[in-house]
Amino acid sequence: NAGVTQTPKFQVLKTGQSMTLQCAQDMNHNSMYWYRQDPGMGLRLIYYSASEGTTDKGEVPNGYNVSRLNKREFSLRLESAAPSQTSVYFCASSDFSGRRRITEAFFGQGTRLTVV
Amino acid sequence: GQQVMQIPQYQHVQEGEDFTTYCNSSTTLSNIQWYKQRPGGHPVFLIQLVKSGEVKKQKRLTFQFGEAKKNSSLHITATQTTDVGTYFCAGVQNAGNNRKLIWGLGTSLAVNP
Repeated sequence: NAGVTQTPKFQVLKTGQSMTLQCAQDMNHNSMYWYRQDPGMGLRLIYYSASEGTTDKGEVPNGYNVSRLNKREFSLRLESAAPSQTSVYFCASSDFSGRRRITEAFFGQGTRLTVV
Repeated sequence: GQQVMQIPQYQHVQEGEDFTTYCNSSTTLSNIQWYKQRPGGHPVFLIQLVKSGEVKKQKRLTFQFGEAKKNSSLHITATQTTDVGTYFCAGVQNAGNNRKLIWGLGTSLAVNP
């Protein structure tokens, strides 16, 4: 199993450019998440999707949009990149809305984004 | 809002010394999870604690969940260089039909050989 696949791994953008980060999971999980990680700030939730067809804002949604394309895929879009969005982005999935007793989150490898 | 505080933020130890990181929640948690992130890597699940007062061991790692289900700790005995990384706790909060993860800020562990 591939688990959670996230692309691209690295990206440099100019201020004002747009891009979409792609994420796909093959574990049939209901819930998917986008986090950003900055030094000393831990993991901050940008958006999440509890199930196919639903999305909700997390702690830091401004400047981002998401699409839950189907059960497998959850994309994150930066419409007009800003230097403050320089960060490492992680996609994750879990079976949180299912009935499993252990509901760990599985993470993608991360996208290291620099906005200049 | 709901918070999980994690201390210390950084810890530097000599190889062979013990290490402990603590998490405290402002609210009662359904359960708590622990993750490890190696430098340059992504968080990887270590364990989930569910019961009040639960203690679980994984080789040199001991995880505890407090009686009130508001605090937890991870203790590493006789650290090794392979223990280097950031350790995160994540409290699981039941929210209606969904569950939410509330993350601590992590403790970065450095081990001198």
